Amino acid sequence: EVQLVESGGGLVQPGRSLRLSCVASGFTFDDYAMHWVRQAPGKGLEWVSGISWNGGTIDYADSVKGRFTISRDNAKNSLYLQVNSLRAEDTALYYCVKEGLDSNGFYKFFHSWGQGALVTVSS
Amino acid sequence: DIQMTQSPSSLSASVGDRVTITCRASRSISSYLNWYQQKPGKVPRVLIFAASSLQSGVPSRFSGSGSGTDFTLTISSLQPEDFATYYCRQSYSPPWTFGQGTKVQIK
Repeated sequence: EVQLVESGGGLVQPGRSLRLSCVASGFTFDDYAMHWVRQAPGKGLEWVSGISWNGGTIDYADSVKGRFTISRDNAKNSLYLQVNSLRAEDTALYYCVKEGLDSNGFYKFFHSWGQGALVTVSS
Repeated sequence: DIQMTQSPSSLSASVGDRVTITCRASRSISSYLNWYQQKPGKVPRVLIFAASSLQSGVPSRFSGSGSGTDFTLTISSLQPEDFATYYCRQSYSPPWTFGQGTKVQIK
């Protein structure tokens, strides 16, 4: 069974930093791309960042580019998100997400989700 | 960036109703379209990928169609457990973008 467990969330002042972590189990971590998706309270889903299986391809949403850094440590089955220069609008539940692929490897989707780490940005 | 627009934003329906939700992409995304369901307080789960392929374990009353810019999620006979918010998401090119969601409520 796939398990994704996030940690590192909390209450932080505007302009400060946090590092979110996600430990994965139940699958071969280094076979899959991974993502962070966030959801502000009462709002919809927003993709934040994604990283390929070996870290060779990294993408960010425009809203976080230059402030957030995604990384992974395949030896530790772990995904990270360094979040800097936090703003009130970054307040959200941050989900760690495992990418899935169809049987031909063409079509991607978000296969498994963790329970999320809550980040609250407030003074 | 590819913008995804869902309609309606919310709808009220009764158990047994046929429900249709639409999603439009700002440019062609071929069949690179997923649908997700999120119940209150729960994590999202994928229902449909590649526009029309049903994810394993998802009831057959859910179906997806469309290609290019216009897509549809259909629930053939709404069940009590289907009251939730539904999101489309394009998997054509990053940044990956979701629609704003459609909340399906009990009439």
